[in-house]
Amino acid sequence: DQQVKQNSPSLSVQEGRISILNCDYTNSMFDYFLWYKKYPAEGPTFLISISSIKDKNEDGRFTVFLNKSAKHLSLHIVPSQPGDSAVYFCAAPDNTDKLIFGTGTRLQVFP
Amino acid sequence: GAVVSQHPSWVICKSGTSVKIECRSLDFQATTMFWYRQFPKQSLMLMATSNEGSKATYEQGVEKDKFLINHASLTLSTLTVTSAHPEDSSFYICSAADRGATEAFFGQGTRLTVV
Repeated sequence: DQQVKQNSPSLSVQEGRISILNCDYTNSMFDYFLWYKKYPAEGPTFLISISSIKDKNEDGRFTVFLNKSAKHLSLHIVPSQPGDSAVYFCAAPDNTDKLIFGTGTRLQVFP
Repeated sequence: GAVVSQHPSWVICKSGTSVKIECRSLDFQATTMFWYRQFPKQSLMLMATSNEGSKATYEQGVEKDKFLINHASLTLSTLTVTSAHPEDSSFYICSAADRGATEAFFGQGTRLTVV
């Protein structure tokens, strides 16, 4: 049972435009969500997070939106840059702090 | 932010030998460490969770006798791939969290190639 789902395996966006990466979850007990970015042959790096008491968190070009009723979150990157090309994972800690990851979305930003 | 150091970053070994991967938390006490494996074009798969001073908890399908995890101190956990085979070739990543933390910090990952 996939508790965290990223239904789009890949996304291609032109430089300067907005990238929107989506994530859905099934466990209503999740109360904290994280986005990680991963370049090839490197470990994932933390990008941005959001607590369930908020519906939006912004950090520079990155904004995460949370819709608790829909059990959906999204990561917006604007403007997108070629260096943003990577695989993005959303994740949520379960009640043992184990991170449950989505399957990832590969973002490619082209000039 | 907190730093987790994973070593080596890549290793090539012969089939049948054992390989040890180290994961160190450099500026915080990691009460819990997680070991992940990533296959090409696939998500991170949690292999096991280790709490300092106790035996690791392995995820279903992960052979505990093959992937030995030791978490003897609050700053170091090791993963030993015993009698490695080519199918063990993968990217292994550790992450570490201190007590009550809401996020875990990741190591740089180790690319293991078994020939």
